[in-house]
Amino acid sequence: QVKLVESGGGLVKPGGSLRLSCVASGFNITDYYFSWIRQVPGKGPEWVSYISGNSRFTDFAESVKGRFTISRDNARNSLFLHMNILRSDDTAVYYCARGLGGYAGFDFLYYWGQGTLVAVSS
Amino acid sequence: IVLTQSPGTLSLSPGERATLSCRASQSVRSNYLGWYQQKPGQAPRLLIYGAYGRATGIPDRFSGSGSGTDFTLTISRLEPEDFAVYYCQHFGSRNTFGQGTKLEI
Repeated sequence: QVKLVESGGGLVKPGGSLRLSCVASGFNITDYYFSWIRQVPGKGPEWVSYISGNSRFTDFAESVKGRFTISRDNARNSLFLHMNILRSDDTAVYYCARGLGGYAGFDFLYYWGQGTLVAVSS
Repeated sequence: IVLTQSPGTLSLSPGERATLSCRASQSVRSNYLGWYQQKPGQAPRLLIYGAYGRATGIPDRFSGSGSGTDFTLTISRLEPEDFAVYYCQHFGSRNTFGQGTKLEI
């Protein structure tokens, strides 16, 4: 059974940093692209970033480019989102997700974690 | 590409038919259009992919249609568990979601 579990969210001051983690179980993540999606309560989801299976390909939404990085540790079945220079408009629930096919950066998102809340406030 | 969903809120009763709209700001390939359902406190769940295909385990009362700029999610006979928020998604050079339609009793 495929399961994704995020952690690392919390309250951080503007300008601060946070690292989110996503641990996958039930399958080997090596071959798959993963995405981070965020959602402000009451709003639609917003794609943040994706990473390819071998970490060679990454992409970021314009709103986070230059502030966020993405990485993975396939040996530990884990994904990470490194968030720097956080702003109040980064406040959201952050989800990691895997696509329906899983072999492209942009895909229909079939597997989702439960999300972790990031709150940026002074 | 901007996806605009309508209506913002749809009030119906169990057993009725629901029709949700997603309009793209420019013509898009239907292969890359999907629909999600989200209930409070849960992650979105993929319902429809490629505009028409039902994801695994999705009941056949859910159907997708449309092309070009106009897409529709239809729920033929509403069940109590169908009352939720629905989002459309398109990906191409970017991955974009609509702002959602809340389906309420």
